[in-house]
Amino acid sequence: GAVVSQHPSWVICKSGTSVKIECRSLDFQATTMFWYRQFPKQSLMLMATSNEGSKATYEQGVEKDKFLINHASLTLSTLTVTSAHPEDSSFYICSAREGSYNEQFFGPGTRLTVL
Amino acid sequence: GEDVEQSLFLSVREGDSSVINCTYTDSSSTYLYWYKQEPGAGLQLLTYIFSNMDMKQDQRLTVLLNKKDKHLSLRIADTQTGDSAIYFCAERPYHGSSNTGKLIFGQGTTLQVKP
Repeated sequence: GAVVSQHPSWVICKSGTSVKIECRSLDFQATTMFWYRQFPKQSLMLMATSNEGSKATYEQGVEKDKFLINHASLTLSTLTVTSAHPEDSSFYICSAREGSYNEQFFGPGTRLTVL
Repeated sequence: GEDVEQSLFLSVREGDSSVINCTYTDSSSTYLYWYKQEPGAGLQLLTYIFSNMDMKQDQRLTVLLNKKDKHLSLRIADTQTGDSAIYFCAERPYHGSSNTGKLIFGQGTTLQVKP
């Protein structure tokens, strides 16, 4: 099956710094990638949808200047949390979809802890 | 609106059947999914059902869909300790030409399997 990787798997940073999380589709071309955020014992909340080569579409309430998404190639999307604060600590999960196929394939997630 | 609800916790004995329930509100849903999440990991697609189907069976998994009541269930036969995880149902709404394929997730049901 299709594989999606995320890097890093966990990161600890100081408040005020920026953190970049990578999402890669390893064996298929991901025309669409999705970024989710998951708080402990809660559901996944969609943050944004990104299509290769175009600007990401952010969900209501998600600050696009805070969470920068770049989908520069068909196998890589990045999420940069700018000027991170402790309330940004969460589990960030990406998913990728090839073309208009039904299934999204999920990455293993990145645990961000902001001190 | 788009909303997906699940019960939060289910405990069963090994060998019994587990039934996890989900309700959704969006009648435009095209596909409905069941995902499994193990601790600290991403989501694994277990199965999905198209909205014009009533039932789908895949080995130990049986999905039932009552479209009139907007009710989805996942039955796991002969539940094993390795089935202990959080199970998410998700719907994929259809929004015509602006259809992005995004998923709306429930809160997740924690399945505890006792030996």
